[in-house]
Order: sequence, then structure tokens, then C-alpha cells
Amino acid sequence: DVKVTQSSRYLVKRTGEKVFLECVQDMDHENMFWYRQDPGLGLRLIYFSYDVKMKEKGDIPEGYSVSREKKERFSLILESASTNQTSMYLCASRPGTSGPYNEQFFGPGTRLTVL
Amino acid sequence: AQKVTQAQTEISVVEKEDVTLDCVYETRDTTYYLFWYKQPPSGELVFLIRRNSFDEQNEISGRYSWNFQKSTSSFNFTITASQVVDSAVYFCALSAPYSGAGSYQLTFGKGTKLSVIP
Repeated sequence: DVKVTQSSRYLVKRTGEKVFLECVQDMDHENMFWYRQDPGLGLRLIYFSYDVKMKEKGDIPEGYSVSREKKERFSLILESASTNQTSMYLCASRPGTSGPYNEQFFGPGTRLTVL
Repeated sequence: AQKVTQAQTEISVVEKEDVTLDCVYETRDTTYYLFWYKQPPSGELVFLIRRNSFDEQNEISGRYSWNFQKSTSSFNFTITASQVVDSAVYFCALSAPYSGAGSYQLTFGKGTKLSVIP
């Protein structure tokens, strides 16, 4: 069974802290994605990666960075958390072989609160 | 640029009623893919259906059906005889070639929250 896991379901951090959100997939997928979900705004793409050590900016990369040292793991980093980064963060993965055809598989999400 | 519009923010229906969720998309690409995802209260998005731009055949899966019309750029989703378990946020999404990258972005609509009342 396809599985995308995220390190935490709920996280509370303070302004200025460095925050790591981890995502692991067990499907040997090349592509991985980080989204944030906010009420009334839907899902917005932060960063994606189509291979190990490769990354591309999405629509809202400001204030975030990513790391992909291994194929199965894609980390989202908030260098200095701010209150406007309070949100639900969703990780997804997809096989890289067939372009846009295949669906993305999503993790359960991490609800991050920055105080 | 791609865009997906789900004009219905929230819908409430009584159990066993039929309900249609609207999705209108914009893209300049001739080859593209449309998706519907369900997000139950647990938070995880669940894939429901994919449709490519060359296949305008409607699809039915149990109580779910989808109507794809290129002429109106719409990909609507109907739930027949709704049930409480259908309560969720539903997202329509579009995937089209993304220049300069080996991957493809999904452009999501803002979602429609469906509440099915017993």
C-alpha cells in the first residue's frame, strides 16, 4: 500500500525558531512536493523536487527552504518561523516517469502553529 | 497560466440528496489532466479520479459521477444519494506541462466543503 508519512500531525513553535518538517515516502517515487493549505486559499505549492538533491520553487517559496538528500525523504525548513507561517503543511509524492498523468499521493499533513 | 475555480465554498445537503460540485478550469495547453481529490476531516487528501483532455467520456463509479465538458472548460462532480461519510472538502486540480522542469505542478481550486446532514 502506498504510504506518505509526515513526522508530526501537530507542531507548536515560537517565532524565530528553526523548524523542520519531515516527509517520507515508501513508493520509490522521484517527485516530491510540499504544499501549504489555508482556509479560503486552497493548496499552494511551496517547493518540489524531481530527484535527489534537485529542487524547484513553487508559487510561494519565500521563507522556506527544502532538502532532499535521499530519494525517500523530503524536508521542509522554516529558517526563522513567523506567525504568518501558521498553516497546514501537506507533503505529496508521485512517480516521475509519466509526467502529469499520475496522481500525487498525500501524507496526513502537519498542522503548524507559530506563536 | 493555469487556474481552477470552484465557485462553491460550502454546500450543505440532507442525506440522500444528490449534490453537484462545480469545477471550471483555464489553461492554454492542449494536453492536460484534471483530478478530483477528497479531504476528509482526518486531513489526508484522497485521489478520486483523473481525466485527460482527450477523453470527454463521462465516468461513473458507484454513487460518484463526473461530467467533463471541454466546450465549457468544466469538470463537475456529482454525488448521488449523499451519505454522511461524504462530508469532506473536495478539491479539483489541473496538471499541465510546466516549462523548465522535469515535473508538473498541480494547480488546485480552493475547495468546496460539503456537509451532509443526517
